[in-house]
Amino acid sequence: DQQVKQNSPSLSVQEGRISILNCDYTNSMFDYFLWYKKYPAEGPTFLISISSIKDKNEDGRFTVFLNKSAKHLSLHIVPSQPGDSAVYFCAMNTGNQFYFGTGTSLTVIP
Amino acid sequence: ETGVTQTPRHLVMGMTNKKSLKCEQHLGHNAMYWYKQSAKKPLELMFVYSLEERVENNSVPSRFSPECPNSSHLFLHLHTLQPEDSALYLCASSQGVGTSGSGDLRGANVLTFGAGSRLTVL
Repeated sequence: DQQVKQNSPSLSVQEGRISILNCDYTNSMFDYFLWYKKYPAEGPTFLISISSIKDKNEDGRFTVFLNKSAKHLSLHIVPSQPGDSAVYFCAMNTGNQFYFGTGTSLTVIP
Repeated sequence: ETGVTQTPRHLVMGMTNKKSLKCEQHLGHNAMYWYKQSAKKPLELMFVYSLEERVENNSVPSRFSPECPNSSHLFLHLHTLQPEDSALYLCASSQGVGTSGSGDLRGANVLTFGAGSRLTVL
């Protein structure tokens, strides 16, 4: 049973516009919610996280939103840049247990 | 060298071969992980080592055998694999262990990944 779902396998956005990546989950016991970014031939790299007690965390162009009642996590990137083109994974954890989504491939068109 | 380093980056092996994947971390972390990434599937946790002791083994077939000789090194020994074992194997490390509970006090337990070892089983 997949606890974390990213229903959009791909997304294309024009440079300068907002990119919105979404993630849904089923387990209400997660402590932290994270986003990772992966370029081809590289491992995933940590991007931003949010605690279960918050609903928003911002870091420069990246903002993560958490809606616990809807069990929904989203990542906003604004303005989007061509270098943001990558696969984005949402992840959720409690202790050493991490659960990942299948990833959304973002393409930012110059 | 810094970060998490995995070798080899690519490996092709027959079903009767024995090979090993190696992971090394230079971050001073105390937990190390093996993940499997198959096409169109979420990352699957295989093993977790915390302070060199295995704490998780997610029903992984015995043809995969992990080894953690010290907190900086992690191996995945492979023998009599099947073609469906072909995947990207990712090593990761982290500083946090145990449950953190809700809240910000301890911060997120962030995984740092290596670049992966692409395994093809013929």
